[in-house]
Amino acid sequence: AQSVTQLDSQVPVFEEAPVELRCNYSSSVSVYLFWYVQYPNQGLQLLLKYLSGSTLVKGINGFEAEFNKSQTSFHLRKPSVHISDTAEYFCAALRGGGADGLTFGKGTHLIIQP
Amino acid sequence: GAGVSQSPSNKVTEKGKDVELRCDPISGHTALYWYRQSLGQGLEFLIYFQGNSAPDKSGLPSDRFSAERTGGSVSTLTIQRTQQEDSAVYLCASSLGTGSHTDTQYFGPGTRLTVL
Repeated sequence: AQSVTQLDSQVPVFEEAPVELRCNYSSSVSVYLFWYVQYPNQGLQLLLKYLSGSTLVKGINGFEAEFNKSQTSFHLRKPSVHISDTAEYFCAALRGGGADGLTFGKGTHLIIQP
Repeated sequence: GAGVSQSPSNKVTEKGKDVELRCDPISGHTALYWYRQSLGQGLEFLIYFQGNSAPDKSGLPSDRFSAERTGGSVSTLTIQRTQQEDSAVYLCASSLGTGSHTDTQYFGPGTRLTVL
């Protein structure tokens, strides 16, 4: 079974509308969770991370995510998107068993429509 | 300050040739990671360095892949006898390496490898 799952490969949204990008994780990974963004022709950039404490995590560019242990989810949200948010979004988790390195989901392409 | 840099940005090679990819981490970062990004497999972890040692090589896909790091800084990823399935973007990341696995990893722009 895939350890980090992003069910949506593409999400089209109108500008200024809210968006949610879904991420689920399995027990084979740790509960240290991350969201990275990859803008066209650029490297990966950290949006936010959950390590412990408050389950609602705020990140850069107005994004936030909520850790839900019972649903093994870490969905990313933004209340109002802009054209500049068009990018590939990756959910990731530290690999299980104390191993280093991240395991990534397949990514979700967020497409903002004017 | 400078971020993680990688060279070359693009590499085209013929099947069977060896290639060497280079990563310069952020100054002061002791932890260094290599990942591979391909259409079929997504983003995959390859290897992790803490200082010059590589405690975790579990992600290397075959014995044609090797990596080293000298002086606790620059790292090279070498692929011997390249195959077409090695075509991918190879990403390098570095982190402070404080001993916490949760340090933020900062990624370089990647090297796009094409094997003809």
